[in-house]
Amino acid sequence: EAQVTQNPRYLITVTGKKLTVTCSQNMNHEYMSWYRQDPGLGLRQIYYSMNVEVTDKGDVPEGYKVSRKEKRNFPLILESPSPNQTSLYFCASSSGRYRGYTFGSGTRLTVV
Amino acid sequence: QKEVEQNSGPLSVPEGAIASLNCTYSDRVSQSFFWYRQYSGKSPELIMSIYSNGDKEDGRFTAQLNKASQYVSLLIRDSQPSDSATYLCAVNLNSGGSNYKLTFGKGTLLTVNP
Repeated sequence: EAQVTQNPRYLITVTGKKLTVTCSQNMNHEYMSWYRQDPGLGLRQIYYSMNVEVTDKGDVPEGYKVSRKEKRNFPLILESPSPNQTSLYFCASSSGRYRGYTFGSGTRLTVV
Repeated sequence: QKEVEQNSGPLSVPEGAIASLNCTYSDRVSQSFFWYRQYSGKSPELIMSIYSNGDKEDGRFTAQLNKASQYVSLLIRDSQPSDSATYLCAVNLNSGGSNYKLTFGKGTLLTVNP
């Protein structure tokens, strides 16, 4: 089944403890992206990647890191999480700019 | 700042009616436009894409694009209670080169009443 897989689905962590949210797609898509979704603010793009080793900032990149060492994987790294990073995170992938993104199931992160 | 604007709603329509959802965007060079549906607690699901001026129909859904007015809309005919969801408009605001910076509106909540 073609899909974008994120892990974990739910995560509660403490301020300052580094964490990684994994994302993997099995559709051989070139484009991948991370979004966060917050009430009243909608979906906002954190980072996106056009191909292996090619990434660029979205609208809200502060406090996040990404890497694209393999085509299928695009992990999101929070080096020092803070409570304002409590959010619902979505990973997405696409075969091109005219194809739209396919979204993963989401990761609900709580930083206390 | 480049933006995508939608009415937040809620938009309430009776079952069987036409639901009309609207979206405006700020970047004249945008080339690809998408509509997503998101049920509560679920991830966004792509339902329509459109790239050229005019209408594009897929089943009960019609997307309309007017680049001169920087306006894209989604019509849902014969609305069903199962169509009740938040509808997100998305625009590739930076279409230069290979960039794929897809920007979403905040969504319109649609409720279809039986």
